[in-house]
Amino acid sequence: DAGITQSPRHKVTETGTPVTLRCHQTENHRYMYWYRQDPGHGLRLIHYSYGVKDTDKGEVSDGYSVSRSKTEDFLLTLESATSSQTSVYFCAISGGGGSLMDEQYFGPGTRLTVT
Amino acid sequence: SQKIEQNSEALNIQEGKTATLTCNYTNYSPAYLQWYRQDPGRGPVFLLLIRENEKEKRKERLKVTFDTTLKQSLFHITASQPADSATYLCALDIGGFVNQGGKLIFGQGTELSVKP
Repeated sequence: DAGITQSPRHKVTETGTPVTLRCHQTENHRYMYWYRQDPGHGLRLIHYSYGVKDTDKGEVSDGYSVSRSKTEDFLLTLESATSSQTSVYFCAISGGGGSLMDEQYFGPGTRLTVT
Repeated sequence: SQKIEQNSEALNIQEGKTATLTCNYTNYSPAYLQWYRQDPGRGPVFLLLIRENEKEKRKERLKVTFDTTLKQSLFHITASQPADSATYLCALDIGGFVNQGGKLIFGQGTELSVKP
């Protein structure tokens, strides 16, 4: 998976609790992304980062925040988890070739269940 | 808003035949389009990129076409094999900005099953 790890890989949590997912890369790629994948919706962009401390919202950012304090780490936080946030979360990286058109490399995913 | 649609039904074909997957989009003019493969329980894997000024791109048994007039991309796998069975996703550029990375929207994917 191109030097990308996600932790945890599986998590079950209760409604209302905060949850943080971690994405770690060893590729020194500039751009990092968080997606969620749900049946019937495909992959949808939550937030992305274009550098340390530089982040912006994607199409489904409500209820999520992110932080990137180091090139290699991108954290996704669910401030107060809801059942609608039950999903598979993928981290991706790009920018190794220096182009906006660079392909994205995806991590193995985190399966989150909110009960 | 941008809309991207792929074959909604799963595609079942016989080994050795050519699989053709469709990706249609509306309300946007992407500079490029990408195709990914996803196996169950794993993240997507990049296959091919085609730019708006390219009609066709090939890589081994894979071929992608891009018709900006029809707003459609076709993805072909020739001489298909059971190992090609997976879900294939198309992804559309929605305007990455300098220093901000490439932003993509993904189709829901088409599940391909190649029978021996």
